[in-house]
Amino acid sequence: DVKVTQSSRYLVKRTGEKVFLECVQDMDHENMFWYRQDPGLGLRLIYFSYDVKMKEKGDIPEGYSVSREKKERFSLILESASTNQTSIYLCASSRSNQPQHFGDGTRLSIL
Amino acid sequence: DQQVKQNSPSLSVQEGRISILNCDYTNSMFDYFLWYKKYPAEGPTFLISISSIKDKNEDGRFTVFLNKSAKHLSLHIVPSQPGDSAVYFCAASAVDRDDKIIFGKGTRLHILP
Repeated sequence: DVKVTQSSRYLVKRTGEKVFLECVQDMDHENMFWYRQDPGLGLRLIYFSYDVKMKEKGDIPEGYSVSREKKERFSLILESASTNQTSIYLCASSRSNQPQHFGDGTRLSIL
Repeated sequence: DQQVKQNSPSLSVQEGRISILNCDYTNSMFDYFLWYKKYPAEGPTFLISISSIKDKNEDGRFTVFLNKSAKHLSLHIVPSQPGDSAVYFCAASAVDRDDKIIFGKGTRLHILP
């Protein structure tokens, strides 16, 4: 079974802090994705990567950056956290032309 | 601009009956469609998909129907079971979109005893 592991289930940070969310997958997938899920808005794509050191902006990249130094690891960075970044963050991975597999999410609160 | 629309935020169905979840899309370039199921405090899990070259795909109790001319797809669950209570996301992708998929906002399905 594919395993996508997100480092934290719950996280509380303060406005202005730099926040790192980590995601690791164990199936050698080329593609990795970061989404946020908000009530009434569904899942929105923040960034994705289809190879090591590659990154592409999704639909809502503002205020975020990513890092993919190794194939199995994809990090989401909130450069200076703001209260409107309070959300559930979901990481996913996939092979090309295959469905995405998701982690269980990180519930991030910015105070 | 919402490219994948799930117009029903919630749906309640009696256990044992058929659940029908609907989804509309606007982008004619979409050629691959997926349904994901999500329980609270868990990530979405892939349920079933359909390519635009087909109009139906079946997997056990789950069937997805695609009507390309109407840009509409539906997920049928027969018979509905208590464990089917979850949020269902419709999603779509296009060949040239580097495996990006666009999600709808989801429909919360309640299976009533």
